[in-house]
Amino acid sequence: DAGVIQSPRHEVTEMGQEVTLRCKPISGHDYLFWYRQTMMRGLELLIYFNNNVPIDDSGMPEDRFSAKMPNASFSTLKIQPSEPRDSAVYFCASSFGSRQQYFGPGTRLTVT
Amino acid sequence: GEDVEQSLFLSVREGDSSVINCTYTDSSSTYLYWYKQEPGAGLQLLTYIFSNMDMKQDQRLTVLLNKKDKHLSLRIADTQTGDSAIYFCAEPHGSSNTGKLIFGQGTTLQVKP
Repeated sequence: DAGVIQSPRHEVTEMGQEVTLRCKPISGHDYLFWYRQTMMRGLELLIYFNNNVPIDDSGMPEDRFSAKMPNASFSTLKIQPSEPRDSAVYFCASSFGSRQQYFGPGTRLTVT
Repeated sequence: GEDVEQSLFLSVREGDSSVINCTYTDSSSTYLYWYKQEPGAGLQLLTYIFSNMDMKQDQRLTVLLNKKDKHLSLRIADTQTGDSAIYFCAEPHGSSNTGKLIFGQGTTLQVKP
């Protein structure tokens, strides 16, 4: 398997623009997680899905953030409008049940 | 609530042993994890230990679990420059099978040649 795939790897955008991050989990995994990592706040869980259904979105910072999982092989994290404080590395991870999570390489987002 | 605590930084010399410590709060955790994050990459599972074990050894890695004190440690023997990374301790969220992990803040290991 190719592992968790994220795109783009790097994104630079201007404040106010919409940003969409994409994730393809490992085939057969039933959990998908979105994390954000910054120097100041460390690794934060934003939202996670089980069988394509959002289970816990309490980590989503505000209404500007939204996530979808239309099918078992694809998820998006959207920020609209983006702000400089959203600059971070965003990771997607997947797992089968409560077993280990497999992380993608991350998307480095810079909002200017 | 649940919390996983780690020291933020550790510096050692190449060839020395490194010990990274972690404390957790949920005594019902069935297993605990150590993840490694190399620069510019995502987290990768390094090792894990079941809660019915006190110790697990895997080549240069030794994991010690003290359930009474809710303390977990990762020892790396003969530390190499390639071991420089951020190490995260993690425990499952709650006693039910939620799939969610609670991560510590991460310990940055610096290995000096």
